[in-house]
Amino acid sequence: AQSVTQLGSHVSVSEGALVLLRCNYSSSVPPYLFWYVQYPNQGLQLLLKYTSAATLVKGINGFEAEFKKSETSFHLTKPSAHMSDAAEYFCAVSANYGNNRLAFGKGNQVVVIP
Amino acid sequence: GAGVSQSPRYKVAKRGQDVALRCDPISGHVSLFWYQQALGQGPEFLTYFQNEAQLDKSGLPSDRFFAERPEGSVSTLKIQRTQQEDSAVYLCASSLVEGAREQYFGPGTRLTVT
Repeated sequence: AQSVTQLGSHVSVSEGALVLLRCNYSSSVPPYLFWYVQYPNQGLQLLLKYTSAATLVKGINGFEAEFKKSETSFHLTKPSAHMSDAAEYFCAVSANYGNNRLAFGKGNQVVVIP
Repeated sequence: GAGVSQSPRYKVAKRGQDVALRCDPISGHVSLFWYQQALGQGPEFLTYFQNEAQLDKSGLPSDRFFAERPEGSVSTLKIQRTQQEDSAVYLCASSLVEGAREQYFGPGTRLTVT
């Protein structure tokens, strides 16, 4: 079974500062990993995904994440936070076979301080 | 093109009532998923369809939950005799083919059971 762990439900970051959201996964098979963003009253939007190609993945809105097998991690970063980055962020994992159901972490609510 | 749509967006039900939640996936998408997102939590898998076939219903929490996709497009999630613990946002997602890595999410239906 696949699972992910996101620590620290609320993350506060100053505008212009580095955004770092941590995700560690557990998987019995090589995983596919995703970061989704959710704005209030909206569905989940894919930020980026790792599907066994390049370990450094670039996504939308200036976000990127690095897959580190040795650390079973897929942390999300953005060099400079914008006010528009305030949202909830979810890390998710799926197996590379079968129906690709996603297993999500509990999420990080990001607050950007002006 | 149009994304995944869900209706109603909000539903208030009295305990014991039956509810039906609708999902219109992106046209031509083969795979359809339902997830349940409790307050402050990440989404959790409920069930999966490939065309009209329900191939995985292992996430449905009880036999009060039932999902169908009779013509391989629109799907309905039905909850019978609603309970307070059913209060959550119900998310629908679709993907183009089985094995596709990207799921496109709808805005969700927020169900409140009073």
